[in-house]
Amino acid sequence: ETGVTQTPRHLVMGMTNKKSLKCEQHLGHNAMYWYKQSAKKPLELMFVYSLEERVENNSVPSRFSPECPNSSHLFLHLHTLQPEDSALYLCASSQGGIAGRTDTQYFGPGTRLTVL
Amino acid sequence: QQPVQSPQAVILREGEDAVINCSSSKALYSVHWYRQKHGEAPVFLMILLKGGEQKGHEKISASFNEKKQQSSLYLTASQLSYSGTYFCGTTNTGNQFYFGTGTSLTVIP
Repeated sequence: ETGVTQTPRHLVMGMTNKKSLKCEQHLGHNAMYWYKQSAKKPLELMFVYSLEERVENNSVPSRFSPECPNSSHLFLHLHTLQPEDSALYLCASSQGGIAGRTDTQYFGPGTRLTVL
Repeated sequence: QQPVQSPQAVILREGEDAVINCSSSKALYSVHWYRQKHGEAPVFLMILLKGGEQKGHEKISASFNEKKQQSSLYLTASQLSYSGTYFCGTTNTGNQFYFGTGTSLTVIP
C-alpha cells in the first residue's frame, strides 16, 4: 500500500466503550498528526508527533489518548467519549520534523466516528 | 488562532473565475492551500513561503502578502473538478499551524 491509510473507516461506539483508531504511513515521513473535522467547523489539530515524540497537544480532553510506537504508526485510543466527539478523524504525515512547518501534509481517508 | 477565509461559499458556472482569501491576525511564515472533495481527504495544492511569492499550478495560482498577513487563491476558467472545500493552512512566526475556516466551492455546468 502507498500513502496514508486509516482503519477503521467507520466506527460507531457507545459512551462507555473503548476503541482505537489506527493510522499507518508508507511514505518514510518523520511527523504524524491527528485532526478532528466536525461538520461546519475548521480542521482542528489535536496531536503532533515528530520522530515518535509528542510535540504538540492542543488542549485535547484526556478521553483521547494518542500513541506513536514508531514513525510509521499512530494510534488514537478512545474511552468514555461524548456524543459531541462524533466527527471525522483524519491522520496526516509530513516529511520533516515539527520544525519543518513548511512541509506538505499527506492525509489519510479518515475514520468517521459516531458516538451514541 | 485560525485564519479566516472568505467567502464561506461560492457557486460558479464552468469557465468562471474565483478568488478565495485567507487572513490571519498573526504574522505568517508560510501558507498552505488544500482542497477537500466531499467524502475524501484533503489534498495539497501548493505552499507559499514568506517573501511575497506567487505560485501557479495550471489554472490555480496563489499569492502571499506577508505584510497584510493574507493569501489569496485564484481559480481561473473553473472546471467541474474544482468543486470542493478549499482550506488554507498557516504557519505563524511562533511555529503554530492552523487550518482556515474553509470555503465551499461549487462549479455547475
